[in-house]
Amino acid sequence: AQSVTQLGSHVSVSEGALVLLRCNYSSSVPPYLFWYVQYPNQGLQLLLKYTTGATLVKGINGFEAEFKKSETSFHLTKPSAHMSDAAEYFCAVSVRPNDMRFGAGTRLTVKP
Amino acid sequence: GAVVSQHPSWVICKSGTSVKIECRSLDFQATTMFWYRQFPKQSLMLMATSNEGSKATYEQGVEKDKFLINHASLTLSTLTVTSAHPEDSSFYICSANELDSYGYTFGSGTRLTVV
Repeated sequence: AQSVTQLGSHVSVSEGALVLLRCNYSSSVPPYLFWYVQYPNQGLQLLLKYTTGATLVKGINGFEAEFKKSETSFHLTKPSAHMSDAAEYFCAVSVRPNDMRFGAGTRLTVKP
Repeated sequence: GAVVSQHPSWVICKSGTSVKIECRSLDFQATTMFWYRQFPKQSLMLMATSNEGSKATYEQGVEKDKFLINHASLTLSTLTVTSAHPEDSSFYICSANELDSYGYTFGSGTRLTVV
């Protein structure tokens, strides 16, 4: 079965610094990959997704992720962190409809 | 884009009472809806999957008599926590999926506190 592993339950960066949240997946078939963001006491909001085609995916709020099949990775990056980026981030994988597996989440803290 | 509305956002109830949480897809037909429970600083725990017009499929360890799920239409699913107890206090989130779609759209969540 497919799965994702998020490396680092907590990442702390300074405002203006690069954000890098790591996600590795495991799948026996080509996966669809997703990044979601969750702010306190709210649901999950889709940041971006990879289905097929271009491996560099751009999402909302300046985030992007690159699908690297050889490394089975889908890391999330943002060149310059804002205070408003502080939240919980979830990586997810799906290989069939109605079957999505989530990572444990990474809490991003942004220091002023 | 797809929007899922979840109500209420928060609810406080007394021990022994029942609470109903609604999840509506506003601009698409949700053939499948999912209910999750989230403990503080943890990931989502899938409770059950419901398909319109059929019985929900519960994950192992989830009491189906305590967490009643109804998916009577293509736009509405409800979760009823029956005879709630303080240990049922949690954050509950729904999500919905269109037919043959790979991406989920999430509701805004419901904070349940049982006193």
